[in-house]
Amino acid sequence: DAGVIQSPRHEVTEMGQEVTLRCKPISGHNSLFWYRQTMMRGLELLIYFNNNVPIDDSGMPEDRFSAKMPNASFSTLKIQPSEPRDSAVYFCASSFGGRGAEQYFGPGTRLTVT
Amino acid sequence: EDKVVQSPLSLVVHEGDTVTLNCSYEVTNFRSLLWYKQEKKAPTFLFMLTSSGIEKKSGRLSSILDKKELSSILNITATQTGDSAIYLCAVEADAGNMLTFGGGTRLMVKP
Repeated sequence: DAGVIQSPRHEVTEMGQEVTLRCKPISGHNSLFWYRQTMMRGLELLIYFNNNVPIDDSGMPEDRFSAKMPNASFSTLKIQPSEPRDSAVYFCASSFGGRGAEQYFGPGTRLTVT
Repeated sequence: EDKVVQSPLSLVVHEGDTVTLNCSYEVTNFRSLLWYKQEKKAPTFLFMLTSSGIEKKSGRLSSILDKKELSSILNITATQTGDSAIYLCAVEADAGNMLTFGGGTRLMVKP
């Protein structure tokens, strides 16, 4: 079975550019999560979707960050404009609500903003 | 604000040693506690605990939840170099499968 798929795996961009990260959750899962991981702050939840609807975006750092889930099999996290402090590994995870909170993580996108 | 704290921050042991990792939490309406292992890539699921006092076990790894003390421990016996990783504790509170993660414990097992 394919797990959670994220693209790109690595992204290097210049400050001010727009960055779009993509995620395909596990088929049949109805919850999707975007996380950011840094050495300083650890793993932080940015936003959570349930049945394609954003439920909690209180973790989104600021207006430069936005996330969409147009259908059950695709989500994007966009940063515009990007800043060096956005450099981190961004993980997407999905779960099936009926089975409890076990979340399956994608491989992550390592973002470097110079 | 929900809070999850792990200790120690890092740990260096030798193969064959037994280690105990700690996780404590302060959350509203606790639902479950999860342990993940993160090597070079994404966290991988180890255990989910919902009931106090019931040990979950998988090979050399085991974990137990103490709801009274708002804490959990993860034990690894007869450690191997392949156990070297960051171990993350996460707590689900309220509804909706949202997890709050601790900062992790970085374990290094030397040959």
